[in-house]
Amino acid sequence: DQQVKQNSPSLSVQEGRISILNCDYTNSMFDYFLWYKKYPAEGPTFLISISSIKDKNEDGRFTVFLNKSAKHLSLHIVPSQPGDSAVYFCAASARYNFNKFYFGSGTKLNVKP
Amino acid sequence: DTGVSQDPRHKITKRGQNVTFRCDPISEHNRLYWYRQTLGQGPEFLTYFQNEAQLEKSRLLSDRFSAERPKGSFSTLEIQRTEQGDSAMYLCASSPGTGGGAGGTEAFFGQGTRLTVV
Repeated sequence: DQQVKQNSPSLSVQEGRISILNCDYTNSMFDYFLWYKKYPAEGPTFLISISSIKDKNEDGRFTVFLNKSAKHLSLHIVPSQPGDSAVYFCAASARYNFNKFYFGSGTKLNVKP
Repeated sequence: DTGVSQDPRHKITKRGQNVTFRCDPISEHNRLYWYRQTLGQGPEFLTYFQNEAQLEKSRLLSDRFSAERPKGSFSTLEIQRTEQGDSAMYLCASSPGTGGGAGGTEAFFGQGTRLTVV
């Protein structure tokens, strides 16, 4: 039973444009959400997070939006750069167990020069 | 480099053999996690340590799997009698924290150990 879903396996974007990666979750107890970036043959690298008390968190070119009523979050990358090409994983944890992360299956982003 | 370190990076073993992986977390991190990732999937939780105490184990962690963190520093993950289905990337992560009740925090991952069982 996959509690965190990323329904787009891949996304292709032109350099300089916006990349929008989406993530849905089913467990209403989730209240901490993270995005990780993963290059081939490397472990996931933490990118940005958001807690359920917020609906938006920004860090430079990266912004995460959280819509609790829809159980949906998205990652916006503006402007997209070729170095952003990687697999992006959405993850979530619940207040009763912050130490267990549930990951989506990932979206492979390709930013074309 | 003060990140999470995993050894070995790659391991090829014959079915039925035992393998052991090591993880050295970021030094000041109390929490240590093991995850497994198969092709096309996201990481799946296996187990978690708070200092030396193993506080949670996933049902994915069968009797053939055992993890230890004897002094609350490095950790080992052993797989006995490996099967082809054990082939995966085994990821270790660590995070800061002082115990139960702490809020959400990101985990920092190592580069993983890729296991191939032939």
